Amino acid sequence: GDSVTQMEGPVTLSEEAFLTINCTYTATGYPSLFWYVQYPGEGLQLLLKATKADDKGSNKGFEATYRKETTSFHLEKGSVQVSDSAVYFCALKVGNEKLTFGTGTRLTIIP
Amino acid sequence: NAGVMQNPRHLVRRRGQEARLRCSPMKGHSHVYWYRQLPEEGLKFMVYLQKENIIDESGMPKERFSAEFPKEGPSILRIQQVVRGDSAAYFCASSTRTAQRDTEAFFGQGTRLTVV
Repeated sequence: GDSVTQMEGPVTLSEEAFLTINCTYTATGYPSLFWYVQYPGEGLQLLLKATKADDKGSNKGFEATYRKETTSFHLEKGSVQVSDSAVYFCALKVGNEKLTFGTGTRLTIIP
Repeated sequence: NAGVMQNPRHLVRRRGQEARLRCSPMKGHSHVYWYRQLPEEGLKFMVYLQKENIIDESGMPKERFSAEFPKEGPSILRIQQVVRGDSAAYFCASSTRTAQRDTEAFFGQGTRLTVV
């Protein structure tokens, strides 16, 4: 079946540090890939997405590139801010729109 | 245009009671999905519905859980005879179309169920 494996947290960084959260996947078909962010007490918000190999999704300074050869979709940001503190979920979708999520990575940015 | 609305935000039930969770999709959205998030875990798919139809319920427990999305009104996730293991956050998402690679699902803020 489909699955997503992402870097376990929690991750704690200083403000302006470089961020990488690893995500790899297995899928029975050709998936679309997503990163969602969840702020405390809130639902999930789509952060970025990529629908085919070599596509790069980007938003709010975050980037992720769809790497079919390594089945990966790692999330990166060059300079994190305190406001980026949240839980980040990698997810995939094949066909009928059911999303398969990773377990989430809790990110804390300290000033 | 209001987002996906879930209510209640917090729900406390005693073991053996029934829990009813409501989800009103975004205006114009006819597809609804329910997910469950256990503490410190990711979201797990439960069920996918269109108006008056269950499309995929492969993630639903076989007993005590049911879902509906009537022609009029919100989608309802119903849990009968709740047990402590049902304590979780239940999220609803909605979208406009099926089988589109870039279709975004919009999530509600969730209902946090606590069984005491």
